[in-house]
Amino acid sequence: DADVTQTPRNRITKTGKRIMLECSQTKGHDRMYWYRQDPGLGLRLIYYSFDVKDINKGEISDGYSVSRQAQAKFSLSLESAIPNQTALYFCATSDPARDQETQYFGPGTRLLVL
Amino acid sequence: DQQVKQNSPSLSVQEGRISILNCDYTNSMFDYFLWYKKYPAEGPTFLISISSIKDKNEDGRFTVFLNKSAKHLSLHIVPSQPGDSAVYFCAASGYAGGTSYGKLTFGQGTILTVHP
Repeated sequence: DADVTQTPRNRITKTGKRIMLECSQTKGHDRMYWYRQDPGLGLRLIYYSFDVKDINKGEISDGYSVSRQAQAKFSLSLESAIPNQTALYFCATSDPARDQETQYFGPGTRLLVL
Repeated sequence: DQQVKQNSPSLSVQEGRISILNCDYTNSMFDYFLWYKKYPAEGPTFLISISSIKDKNEDGRFTVFLNKSAKHLSLHIVPSQPGDSAVYFCAASGYAGGTSYGKLTFGQGTILTVHP
């Protein structure tokens, strides 16, 4: 069962284009996160949201923006894509009241910026 | 400033033997630690966690050990199986001023290969 889904799964775009990555969840969790994974660097937090009205920058937010359209939806935008934003992007959710700090990840979006 | 470090990029073990993956952290406010496993083309999946009030937590073949004084944790897999071949990430979370960070800080990952 795909509790956390991400679209698209793969995307190729050109430098300067604006693109949006979407995340939806059916887990009923309030907290949602966006990460990027680069070889040798692990997962780094881009933005996170603890509820629909709460948006926070992570450690690498420059060049990105987010929108929390509903409890179940959290979108990541690259306003003007650049090649060093080529990476794997993951969305995650959590519910600390039930699972402490455990986060549940989507399958990822592989982004290539030419 | 890498607050969570996995200094071994890769580890290769024989099926049936023990796999030991290591993780070090620098932030003394971290008090909850997790291990995730990631297969290619999939998202990370939660494996096991440990709170700083414990020094060991077991779940089947997986055991996590925490040494707070050394700021070190390790994941032991016994016995290792070829299906355990994946990238393993350690992650940490903590509290400041009585409030949870609500965020995880990840290590760089270790690629585990278990040979039949």
